[in-house]
Amino acid sequence: AQTVTQSQPEMSVQEAETVTLSCTYDTSESDYYLFWYKQPPSRQMILVIRQEAYKQQNATENRFSVNFQKAAKSFSLKISDSQLGDAAMYFCAYRSARSGATNKLIFGTGTLLAVQP
Amino acid sequence: NAGVTQTPKFRVLKTGQSMTLLCAQDMNHEYMYWYRQDPGMGLRLIHYSVGEGTTAKGEVPDGYNVSRLKKQNFLLGLESAAPSQTSVYFCASSDSLNYGYTFGSGTRLTVV
Repeated sequence: AQTVTQSQPEMSVQEAETVTLSCTYDTSESDYYLFWYKQPPSRQMILVIRQEAYKQQNATENRFSVNFQKAAKSFSLKISDSQLGDAAMYFCAYRSARSGATNKLIFGTGTLLAVQP
Repeated sequence: NAGVTQTPKFRVLKTGQSMTLLCAQDMNHEYMYWYRQDPGMGLRLIHYSVGEGTTAKGEVPDGYNVSRLKKQNFLLGLESAAPSQTSVYFCASSDSLNYGYTFGSGTRLTVV
């Protein structure tokens, strides 16, 4: 079974600085998708960024980028120029791309990010 | 376009009471899911459905039942609530072509 591990329960960053959130996963599959979700205090789950395992290029969305290391099974999220609105819980998630899979997302336990003004 | 709507948003139950959480999506998605979120444990899958009339167990199905009689609705039932079911419940949907989920806004359930 696949697992997702986030080893940093809490992180803190100064406004305008850069922070990296860690995520590792375990799978025997070669084709899959990885995601980062943001959950602000409003509780809404917001998709931040997505990475297809078959792509070597790291995904980027504005100030958010990932460092995807397939061999190491590592998928970290870098937030540049941190803003107060980035304060939230961040979840890493895995989804199989295997034909016949049921689109189930497997989540890590989350990292609570605080942004200091 | 409302996306995924969960009702109710908050509920307090007494131990042994029953209730149903409703999830409705208007995106014609095939797949629907119920997760629970607990501190330090992330989101764990309770039950899911791959299409109208189908349901399957997830990681933590005990104490819950589900039904998907219509494609747009996915109901989560608690027959006899227990304090261990105090949690935030999320419904989500996806289709086979979409890589991510669309989530509802969650239901905070407290069982006393």
